[in-house]
Amino acid sequence: SQQGEEDPQALSIQEGENATMNCSYKTSINNLQWYRQNSGRGLVHLILIRSNEREKHSGRLRVTLDTSKKSSSLLITASRAADTASYFCVYMEYGNKLVFGAGTILRVKS
Amino acid sequence: DTGVSQDPRHKITKRGQNVTFRCDPISEHNRLYWYRQTLGQGPEFLTYFQNEAQLEKSRLLSDRFSAERPKGSFSTLEIQRTEQGDSAMYLCASSLSGATGELFFGEGSRLTVL
Repeated sequence: SQQGEEDPQALSIQEGENATMNCSYKTSINNLQWYRQNSGRGLVHLILIRSNEREKHSGRLRVTLDTSKKSSSLLITASRAADTASYFCVYMEYGNKLVFGAGTILRVKS
Repeated sequence: DTGVSQDPRHKITKRGQNVTFRCDPISEHNRLYWYRQTLGQGPEFLTYFQNEAQLEKSRLLSDRFSAERPKGSFSTLEIQRTEQGDSAMYLCASSLSGATGELFFGEGSRLTVL
């Protein structure tokens, strides 16, 4: 498969809780990005972390990258109902091909 | 900047018919990508252009699929002799080369083959 792997496949939490999603990939990468997709819509870029970075923050988002384990995690703190969406990690293989993981479906209950 | 636009948003066709989707990227973006997404799955890479040159094609892109970007601006994706398995959301994205690779997506074109 050309896709990376994400876990969990689905996550259901209460508003205010934190949500953590994990992504694993198979090749060497330039960078890794996370995108959000609301049901039936296009994808929106959330955050990018370069291969020489270990952690990055943006608002309520925190991304980590462990290149030795070929894995990344996305943490959403203080979740809101509006965070309900699918989340995808996307990594750039050398040659500029962007490969998507299978995604995590997040549901935040109010 | 009007973002990436795709047309049509929805297409219902009968098996065996040809369909064509159009993507207008953000005007200054020289890279354009096509992805296909089925329900519950992540987008799968189909093909990628830098300006008018098609630089990479996925093995998923059978002979029935063809994509063009004739003047390095808009792109078309044509599917000939559609099959029910072609039913999916076809997503277009654009980006600026030399940048980080952040993709800007359109809202997609949903194809249903009856």
